[in-house]
Amino acid sequence: DAKTTQPPSMDCAEGRAANLPCNHSTISGNEYVYWYRQIHSQGPQYIIHGLKNNETNEMASLIITEDRKSSTLILPHATLRDTAVYYCIVRESNTGKLIFGQGTTLQVKP
Amino acid sequence: DVKVTQSSRYLVKRTGEKVFLECVQDMDHENMFWYRQDPGLGLRLIYFSYDVKMKEKGDIPEGYSVSREKKERFSLILESASTNQTSMYLCASSTQVWDRSYNEQFFGPGTRLTVL
Repeated sequence: DAKTTQPPSMDCAEGRAANLPCNHSTISGNEYVYWYRQIHSQGPQYIIHGLKNNETNEMASLIITEDRKSSTLILPHATLRDTAVYYCIVRESNTGKLIFGQGTTLQVKP
Repeated sequence: DVKVTQSSRYLVKRTGEKVFLECVQDMDHENMFWYRQDPGLGLRLIYFSYDVKMKEKGDIPEGYSVSREKKERFSLILESASTNQTSMYLCASSTQVWDRSYNEQFFGPGTRLTVL
């Protein structure tokens, strides 16, 4: 079973920041948080990952709370092309498997 | 760029047929995965492979088998297709660095299989 909980859907205005929350209250100390997204009719695409510290790359920022029980993916300036299903995943530490949950459908509106 | 290709984007088969879904990656990745994706159920892992000729069952292996004869190719086999195997099938590959943080899985575009 997925170890994460996400809201099923969110809306965001184009050009504004999209903040996607994720709860992972049972995460273990050595398990990483990964974010993927899936645009319609395509395979999932890696966005970012983190363990304890906040992370930023060219696509997004990842904010992880100090207790590591939740995180937020931030798309700083959402565009229409960011409309997708966003998956927050805790990678299993012993197998490395990614367990996908239901994800959040982000709709970016003009 | 990493490329994971799947043999077909769309496939229609009849109940009882033997179905082969092929996946090829060009990044010399050790790990390869097969998922199916269904509405309301998300992505579920069917089988994965850590190396040539090695395979491990995922969460829903029943009704499927796999073959990994070459490092770059991972095949999913439906011995006798059934209507409940109608789904989107996604292949992925990754490097074998479980003890490190970076273990991105690269996905193919998917094969939408319909079993009539």
